[in-house]
Amino acid sequence: AQSVTQPDIHITVSEGASLELRCNYSYGATPYLFWYVQSPGQGLQLLLKYFSGDTLVQGIKGFEAEFKRSQSSFNLRKPSVHWSDAAEYFCAVLTGTASKLTFGTGTRLQVTL
Amino acid sequence: DSGVTQTPKHLITATGQRVTLRCSPRSGDLSVYWYQQSLDQGLQFLIQYYNGEERAKGNILERFSAQQFPDLHSELNLSSLELGDSALYFCASSDGGEETQYFGPGTRLLVL
Repeated sequence: AQSVTQPDIHITVSEGASLELRCNYSYGATPYLFWYVQSPGQGLQLLLKYFSGDTLVQGIKGFEAEFKRSQSSFNLRKPSVHWSDAAEYFCAVLTGTASKLTFGTGTRLQVTL
Repeated sequence: DSGVTQTPKHLITATGQRVTLRCSPRSGDLSVYWYQQSLDQGLQFLIQYYNGEERAKGNILERFSAQQFPDLHSELNLSSLELGDSALYFCASSDGGEETQYFGPGTRLLVL
């Protein structure tokens, strides 16, 4: 069965520092991968997605993610974090047949000033 | 703003009661998905409807049911509520083609 692992439950970075959030997936076929962000008390906002093609995908708010098939990973990166990036980040994989998203447990990002 | 709307925003009710959560998808989207977010289970897929028909089912309890109406809005009905049903319930929609799901702001349910 498909699964998504986000090994870091909580990450703290200083404002202006770079960020990398890890995501590993388990899925037999070519995965459709997503990163969503959830600010406190808010819904889930789509940051970026990977379906095929270029393995480095750009998203909103200056985020990017790289799909590495050999490592079954889809890590999210940002070169310089802003205080407003503090939120919970979810990686998800879409299963081809059921069209449902399977989410990781999330990584809570704290940004210190 | 994703274009997906959910009402109500908050709901407080008692055990044993029944509630209905409502979702309006983005204009033109035919698929509606329901997810539950709780502290112990995380984000879990409940059910999907496509153009009025049930398409996929996930970890949805028998006490829960959903439907999608001809105008494509959807309702999630939760009955015989238990304390453990307290959670954030999200609706998402997609056009049924590209498979990108856009989420609404959620309904926070508290069962006392």
